[in-house]
Amino acid sequence: SAVISQKPSRDICQRGTSLTIQCQVDSQVTMMFWYRQQPGQSLTLIATANQGSEATYESGFVIDKFPISRPNLTFSTLTVSNMSPEDSSIYLCSVDADDRGISTDTQYFGPGTRLTVL
Amino acid sequence: GQNIDQPTEMTATEGAIVQINCTYQTSGFNGLFWYQQHAGEAPTFLSYNVLDGLEEKGRFSSFLSRSKGYSYLLLKELQMKDSASYLCAVQGSGAGSYQLTFGKGTKLSVIP
Repeated sequence: SAVISQKPSRDICQRGTSLTIQCQVDSQVTMMFWYRQQPGQSLTLIATANQGSEATYESGFVIDKFPISRPNLTFSTLTVSNMSPEDSSIYLCSVDADDRGISTDTQYFGPGTRLTVL
Repeated sequence: GQNIDQPTEMTATEGAIVQINCTYQTSGFNGLFWYQQHAGEAPTFLSYNVLDGLEEKGRFSSFLSRSKGYSYLLLKELQMKDSASYLCAVQGSGAGSYQLTFGKGTKLSVIP
């Protein structure tokens, strides 16, 4: 599978601030996905990020709250804007590609960013 | 839309066999995945079923019946390190067919 890293691994933030999470992949991939996993819950897809086009957001998620950048085929960022305690969650990026960047049917996940909002 | 159900928690004994069930109702179906997630870690891929039947991978096997909207993950010769949450996920079809919808996960506790 592709090797995926995320920064930061965790952060504690104040209400009203914003945090940008980075996702780096070791191969060029077409699609990258951003998920949220709230405490005790399963994963929920926030948006799909394709290079060169605007991200596609799922129901309940909007660009103003979760702006996404995809400047190239190996990198993406997710910003959690104007945070509130309800945004406390693990944020994960994933790709559906192997270590050569070839699309697969399987999604592989980064290590996640654990966010706590006070 | 997608609706995926799996038990919340299960407990099993080291060395035993456990079966974790998953039922789904979906508007489209392209495949079913099982992931393992240890506490505080990211999910790791276990198995992928597209066709009906059993897929075996070492101690783990996964079964799919598309007509019944049913899958199970079978873990044999349980080890303490198998204590984790197991997530069932369905991949849709048509537009956005790459998207995964996850169940809430089954927390498995393996006891001595």
